[in-house]
Amino acid sequence: DGGITQSPKYLFRKEGQNVTLSCEQNLNHDAMYWYRQDPGQGLRLIYYSQIVNDFQKGDIAEGYSVSREKKESFPLTVTSAQKNPTAFYLCASSISSSGGYNEQFFGPGTRLTVL
Amino acid sequence: AQSVTQLDSQVPVFEEAPVELRCNYSSSVSVYLFWYVQYPNQGLQLLLKYLSGSTLVKGINGFEAEFNKSQTSFHLRKPSVHISDTAEYFCAVSDYAGKSTFGDGTTLTVKP
Repeated sequence: DGGITQSPKYLFRKEGQNVTLSCEQNLNHDAMYWYRQDPGQGLRLIYYSQIVNDFQKGDIAEGYSVSREKKESFPLTVTSAQKNPTAFYLCASSISSSGGYNEQFFGPGTRLTVL
Repeated sequence: AQSVTQLDSQVPVFEEAPVELRCNYSSSVSVYLFWYVQYPNQGLQLLLKYLSGSTLVKGINGFEAEFNKSQTSFHLRKPSVHISDTAEYFCAVSDYAGKSTFGDGTTLTVKP
Protein backbone atom coordinates (compact mmCIF):
# COMPACT_ATOMS: atom_id res chain seq x y z
CA ASP A 1 0.00 0.00 0.00
CA GLY A 2 1.36 3.39 -0.98
CA GLY A 3 1.00 6.24 1.44
CA ILE A 4 2.46 8.56 4.02
CA THR A 5 3.32 7.52 7.53
CA GLN A 6 3.93 9.82 10.46
CA SER A 7 5.28 8.79 13.79
CA PRO A 8 4.61 8.93 16.60
CA LYS A 9 0.87 9.57 16.67
CA TYR A 10 1.11 11.29 20.05
CA LEU A 11 4.18 13.03 21.42
CA PHE A 12 4.79 14.74 24.72
CA ARG A 13 7.66 17.12 25.28
CA LYS A 14 8.95 19.09 28.18
CA GLU A 15 9.58 22.78 27.72
CA GLY A 16 13.10 23.47 26.48
CA GLN A 17 13.48 20.17 24.63
CA ASN A 18 13.85 19.69 20.91
CA VAL A 19 11.73 16.95 19.34
CA THR A 20 11.71 15.40 15.87
CA LEU A 21 8.59 14.29 14.03
CA SER A 22 8.99 11.62 11.39
CA CYS A 23 7.40 11.64 7.95
CA GLU A 24 7.95 8.92 5.34
CA GLN A 25 6.28 8.42 1.95
CA ASN A 26 6.49 5.56 -0.54
CA LEU A 27 4.55 7.31 -3.29
CA ASN A 28 7.69 8.39 -5.13
CA HIS A 29 6.58 12.02 -4.81
CA ASP A 30 9.06 14.83 -5.33
CA ALA A 31 7.37 17.44 -3.12
CA MET A 32 6.78 17.20 0.61
CA TYR A 33 5.20 19.62 3.09
CA TRP A 34 4.76 20.21 6.80
CA TYR A 35 1.67 21.93 8.16
CA ARG A 36 0.60 22.95 11.61
CA GLN A 37 -3.09 22.75 12.49
CA ASP A 38 -4.62 24.62 15.42
CA PRO A 39 -8.34 24.60 16.26
CA GLY A 40 -10.28 27.02 14.08
CA GLN A 41 -7.17 28.14 12.16
CA GLY A 42 -6.96 25.67 9.34
CA LEU A 43 -3.56 24.55 8.07
CA ARG A 44 -0.50 26.75 8.10
CA LEU A 45 2.57 25.87 6.07
CA ILE A 46 5.79 25.44 8.06
CA TYR A 47 8.28 24.17 5.44
CA TYR A 48 8.14 22.54 2.06
CA SER A 49 10.58 20.72 -0.18
CA GLN A 50 10.35 20.39 -3.93
CA ILE A 51 13.33 18.11 -4.35
CA VAL A 52 15.94 16.22 -2.35
CA ASN A 53 18.46 18.42 -0.53
CA ASP A 54 16.35 21.53 -1.01
CA PHE A 55 13.61 23.10 1.10
CA GLN A 56 11.96 26.46 1.63
CA LYS A 57 10.37 28.23 4.56
CA GLY A 58 6.63 28.48 4.68
CA ASP A 59 4.52 31.01 6.51
CA ILE A 60 5.45 30.00 10.07
CA ALA A 61 8.97 28.53 9.93
CA GLU A 62 10.36 30.21 13.05
CA GLY A 63 11.29 27.67 15.71
CA TYR A 64 11.25 24.74 13.28
CA SER A 65 13.86 23.02 11.14
CA VAL A 66 13.74 20.29 8.46
CA SER A 67 16.01 18.16 6.32
CA ARG A 68 15.46 16.34 3.05
CA GLU A 69 18.36 13.92 2.62
CA LYS A 70 16.23 11.22 1.00
CA LYS A 71 13.29 11.50 -1.37
CA GLU A 72 11.02 9.49 0.88
CA SER A 73 11.80 11.22 4.18
CA PHE A 74 11.13 14.76 5.46
CA PRO A 75 11.59 14.97 9.25
CA LEU A 76 10.54 18.07 11.17
CA THR A 77 12.34 19.23 14.31
CA VAL A 78 10.44 21.42 16.72
CA THR A 79 13.07 23.38 18.62
CA SER A 80 12.91 25.03 21.99
CA ALA A 81 12.71 28.36 20.15
CA GLN A 82 9.14 27.57 19.11
CA LYS A 83 7.12 29.41 21.75
CA ASN A 84 3.82 27.60 21.38
CA PRO A 85 4.48 24.17 19.88
CA THR A 86 1.40 22.32 21.14
CA ALA A 87 -0.54 21.50 17.95
CA PHE A 88 -1.46 18.83 15.42
CA TYR A 89 1.24 18.45 12.77
CA LEU A 90 0.47 17.14 9.31
CA CYS A 91 2.90 15.98 6.68
CA ALA A 92 1.88 15.86 3.03
CA SER A 93 3.36 15.05 -0.35
CA SER A 94 2.52 15.64 -3.99
CA ILE A 95 3.89 14.36 -7.28
CA SER A 96 5.39 17.77 -7.87
CA SER A 97 4.75 21.23 -6.53
CA SER A 98 5.36 22.98 -9.83
CA GLY A 99 2.25 23.86 -11.77
CA GLY A 100 0.08 23.82 -8.68
CA TYR A 101 -2.45 21.37 -10.06
CA ASN A 102 -1.40 18.29 -8.13
CA GLU A 103 -3.33 17.45 -5.02
CA GLN A 104 -1.56 16.75 -1.77
CA PHE A 105 -1.66 13.43 0.03
CA PHE A 106 -1.65 13.67 3.80
CA GLY A 107 -0.32 11.52 6.59
CA PRO A 108 -2.39 10.73 9.70
CA GLY A 109 -0.72 13.46 11.76
CA THR A 110 1.22 13.76 15.00
CA ARG A 111 -0.30 15.48 18.01
CA LEU A 112 2.42 17.24 19.98
CA THR A 113 1.78 18.37 23.53
CA VAL A 114 4.25 20.40 25.55
CA LEU A 115 4.03 19.71 29.24
CA ALA B 1 -1.09 36.88 -2.53
CA GLN B 2 -4.01 34.51 -2.35
CA SER B 3 -6.54 33.85 0.37
CA VAL B 4 -9.44 31.53 1.09
CA THR B 5 -12.53 32.30 3.13
CA GLN B 6 -14.86 29.58 4.26
CA LEU B 7 -17.96 31.47 5.15
CA ASP B 8 -19.36 29.09 7.76
CA SER B 9 -17.30 27.66 10.59
CA GLN B 10 -20.02 25.19 11.56
CA VAL B 11 -22.90 23.72 9.58
CA PRO B 12 -25.40 21.48 11.38
CA VAL B 13 -27.81 19.55 9.19
CA PHE B 14 -30.20 16.63 9.52
CA GLU B 15 -29.52 13.32 7.84
CA GLU B 16 -30.77 13.08 4.22
CA ALA B 17 -31.00 16.88 3.91
CA PRO B 18 -29.00 18.77 1.29
CA VAL B 19 -25.96 20.77 2.31
CA GLU B 20 -23.79 23.54 0.86
CA LEU B 21 -20.42 24.52 2.28
CA ARG B 22 -19.32 27.91 1.00
CA CYS B 23 -15.84 28.90 -0.12
CA ASN B 24 -14.67 32.20 -1.59
CA TYR B 25 -11.14 32.89 -2.70
CA SER B 26 -9.06 35.82 -3.87
CA SER B 27 -5.99 35.75 -6.04
CA SER B 28 -4.22 38.00 -8.50
CA VAL B 29 -3.52 35.03 -10.78
CA SER B 30 -5.40 31.99 -11.96
CA VAL B 31 -5.59 29.28 -9.36
CA TYR B 32 -6.55 25.69 -8.95
CA LEU B 33 -9.19 24.82 -6.38
CA PHE B 34 -9.54 21.87 -4.07
CA TRP B 35 -11.84 20.52 -1.37
CA TYR B 36 -10.45 18.17 1.26
CA VAL B 37 -12.18 16.29 4.09
CA GLN B 38 -10.71 15.52 7.50
CA TYR B 39 -12.19 12.99 9.89
CA PRO B 40 -11.33 13.35 13.61
CA ASN B 41 -7.64 12.87 14.42
CA GLN B 42 -6.78 11.97 10.84
CA GLY B 43 -5.08 13.61 7.90
CA LEU B 44 -6.89 15.26 5.02
CA GLN B 45 -8.06 13.44 1.91
CA LEU B 46 -9.06 14.90 -1.42
CA LEU B 47 -12.77 15.19 -2.21
CA LEU B 48 -12.48 16.92 -5.57
CA LYS B 49 -10.52 19.50 -7.51
CA TYR B 50 -11.08 22.06 -10.25
CA LEU B 51 -8.28 22.57 -12.75
CA SER B 52 -10.05 23.74 -15.91
CA GLY B 53 -12.95 22.91 -18.18
CA SER B 54 -16.43 22.21 -16.86
CA THR B 55 -17.24 24.38 -13.88
CA LEU B 56 -19.19 21.60 -12.18
CA VAL B 57 -16.84 19.09 -10.62
CA LYS B 58 -17.90 15.76 -9.16
CA GLY B 59 -15.96 14.11 -6.38
CA ILE B 60 -16.05 11.15 -4.07
CA ASN B 61 -18.86 10.26 -1.69
CA GLY B 62 -21.50 12.06 -3.79
CA PHE B 63 -20.03 15.54 -3.33
CA GLU B 64 -19.82 18.10 -6.10
CA ALA B 65 -18.62 21.68 -6.36
CA GLU B 66 -19.20 24.52 -8.79
CA PHE B 67 -16.50 26.97 -9.79
CA ASN B 68 -17.81 30.49 -10.32
CA LYS B 69 -15.09 32.76 -11.65
CA SER B 70 -17.11 35.98 -11.54
CA GLN B 71 -18.01 35.44 -7.90
CA THR B 72 -14.64 33.84 -7.07
CA SER B 73 -16.43 31.01 -5.33
CA PHE B 74 -16.12 27.25 -5.17
CA HIS B 75 -19.01 26.00 -3.07
CA LEU B 76 -19.30 22.33 -2.11
CA ARG B 77 -22.68 20.59 -2.24
CA LYS B 78 -24.27 17.25 -1.52
CA PRO B 79 -27.95 16.56 -2.21
CA SER B 80 -28.44 14.15 0.70
CA VAL B 81 -26.02 13.78 3.59
CA HIS B 82 -25.33 10.79 5.81
CA ILE B 83 -24.18 10.56 9.41
CA SER B 84 -20.81 9.40 8.07
CA ASP B 85 -20.31 12.77 6.34
CA THR B 86 -19.73 14.39 9.72
CA ALA B 87 -16.22 15.80 9.42
CA GLU B 88 -14.26 18.98 8.83
CA TYR B 89 -14.03 20.25 5.27
CA PHE B 90 -11.27 22.46 3.90
CA CYS B 91 -11.23 24.53 0.75
CA ALA B 92 -7.79 25.22 -0.73
CA VAL B 93 -6.31 27.17 -3.62
CA SER B 94 -3.00 26.57 -5.33
CA ASP B 95 -1.10 28.81 -7.72
CA TYR B 96 1.26 27.95 -10.54
CA ALA B 97 4.20 27.97 -8.15
CA GLY B 98 2.55 25.19 -6.21
CA LYS B 99 1.90 27.17 -3.07
CA SER B 100 -1.35 26.10 -1.43
CA THR B 101 -3.48 28.19 0.89
CA PHE B 102 -6.15 26.54 3.02
CA GLY B 103 -9.30 27.98 4.50
CA ASP B 104 -10.00 27.73 8.21
CA GLY B 105 -12.35 24.80 7.71
CA THR B 106 -16.07 24.12 8.07
CA THR B 107 -17.28 21.56 10.57
CA LEU B 108 -20.22 19.64 9.14
CA THR B 109 -22.33 17.87 11.74
CA VAL B 110 -25.02 15.53 10.46
CA LYS B 111 -27.73 14.80 12.99
CA PRO B 112 -30.10 11.82 12.92
